[in-house]
Amino acid sequence: DGGITQSPKYLFRKEGQNVTLSCEQNLNHDAMYWYRQDPGQGLRLIYYSQIVNDFQKGDIAEGYSVSREKKESFPLTVTSAQKNPTAFYLCASTRDAGTEQYFGPGTRLTVT
Amino acid sequence: QQQVKQSPQSLIVQKGGISIINCAYENTAFDYFPWYQQFPGKGPALLIAIRPDVSEKKEGRFTISFNKSAKQFSLHIMDSQPGDSATYFCAAIPREGSARQLTFGSGTQLTVLP
Repeated sequence: DGGITQSPKYLFRKEGQNVTLSCEQNLNHDAMYWYRQDPGQGLRLIYYSQIVNDFQKGDIAEGYSVSREKKESFPLTVTSAQKNPTAFYLCASTRDAGTEQYFGPGTRLTVT
Repeated sequence: QQQVKQSPQSLIVQKGGISIINCAYENTAFDYFPWYQQFPGKGPALLIAIRPDVSEKKEGRFTISFNKSAKQFSLHIMDSQPGDSATYFCAAIPREGSARQLTFGSGTQLTVLP
C-alpha cells in the first residue's frame, strides 16, 4: 500500500525534553510538509521541503527543527524551546507544485 | 493574514438535508482549490478539488461551485448523512512558481443529526 506513515500515534514527554516525530512516505513524492493542529483550529505550516537536503520555514517554525536526508523521510524535532508543544502534528506530501497534498494519520503529542 | 476565509465555523444539518460550506479568497494567484474532510483524531483526506476554469464539479453527493469573478467557492453535500459528520477544510494552491503550496481555511465542523 502506498501512503504516508507517522509514528507514534500518541507521544508523551516531559517538559524540557526534545522529541522527534517520524514521517515516512512511499509515494515517491518530492515535497513534504509538517503542520500543527490545535483543538478546533485549522492547520498551521511548520516546515516544508521540496527536495532532499533542502527545507524552508513555515509560519510557526520557532522551536522546531527538521531534516531531509532521504526523499522518503522528513522527521520533525520538537525542541524544548517550543513554548506550547502539546498539539496534533500532521505530515503531508505532494507530487509537485500546484497539486493537492496527501496527509498522514497524525501524531498527538502531549507534553506535561 | 488569512488568505482563505471559510464559513460557517460550525454547521448542524438534519439527515437528508443539504450542507453548504463557503470559502472566499483574495489572492488571484490561487488556481487550484481542494477540499479536505477530517474525522476526529485522523489526518485530513482529500475529498474533491476544482480549478477556476470550471464553475462546478460533482462527485457523488459532493459538489463544488466556483465563482471566479467573486473569488468564492463552496462545497455542497447533498442528502447529508450522519457519517458525513466531520471537519471540512477548503484550501487554495497558487499557480506554478510559488513554493508555499497550500493555504487552508479555518475549517467547518459539520454535524449531521440522525
